[in-house]
Amino acid sequence: QVQLQESGPGLVRPSQTLSLTCTVSGGSITSGDYYWGWIRQPAGKGLEWIGRFYTSGTTNYNPSLESRVTISIDSAKNQFSLKLTSVTAADTAIYYCAREFQFWGQGTLVTVSS
Amino acid sequence: QTVVTQEPSLTVSPGGTVTLTCASSTGAVTSGYYPNWFQQKPGQAPKTLIYSTSNKHSWTPARFSGSLLGGKAALTLSGVQPEDEAEYYCLLWYGGAWAFGGGTKLTVL
Repeated sequence: QVQLQESGPGLVRPSQTLSLTCTVSGGSITSGDYYWGWIRQPAGKGLEWIGRFYTSGTTNYNPSLESRVTISIDSAKNQFSLKLTSVTAADTAIYYCAREFQFWGQGTLVTVSS
Repeated sequence: QTVVTQEPSLTVSPGGTVTLTCASSTGAVTSGYYPNWFQQKPGQAPKTLIYSTSNKHSWTPARFSGSLLGGKAALTLSGVQPEDEAEYYCLLWYGGAWAFGGGTKLTVL
């Protein structure tokens, strides 16, 4: 059974870069035809797809976030990461990582505040 | 900017049947949008119920089914149980990006 766990700072200052890591256990992120991605959810609101990484190296991003988002993998650590630059309060949310979309992490709350 | 629209809220009686729909601002939803449906309960991560229109995961209860209906993706719950009370989200593929619907809050009353 594949398991995912998000980690990273819970507080990020405005205009700084949000960086999160998703650690995968129970399977290799470089094997199989899978997409690994990030989704977020502001408190009390709906889900927003951020982007994804395919094992071939292809990435896709939400057009509304594309200029600020990078998703990459560290195959040696069996992890993939999210970087979101120039954050504002609007980026405050629970961030989930997932293997599209069968397995999800528990989510991690990131607050953008000074 | 594509918009995916769901009913904001629906109410169903225990044992009843309810259909949730998912519409696209670009036109009729087809299988090429690979509709997914998720269930989310308070304080929990979403759980995938349906993928690629009508396919179920091993954990998806038989009472949940996905289809295309009148140009929309649809999720039908037959024989609703109290534990089905939750928020339900659909997800559509736009040939380069996914987009979630705003969610439907299903109340079992």
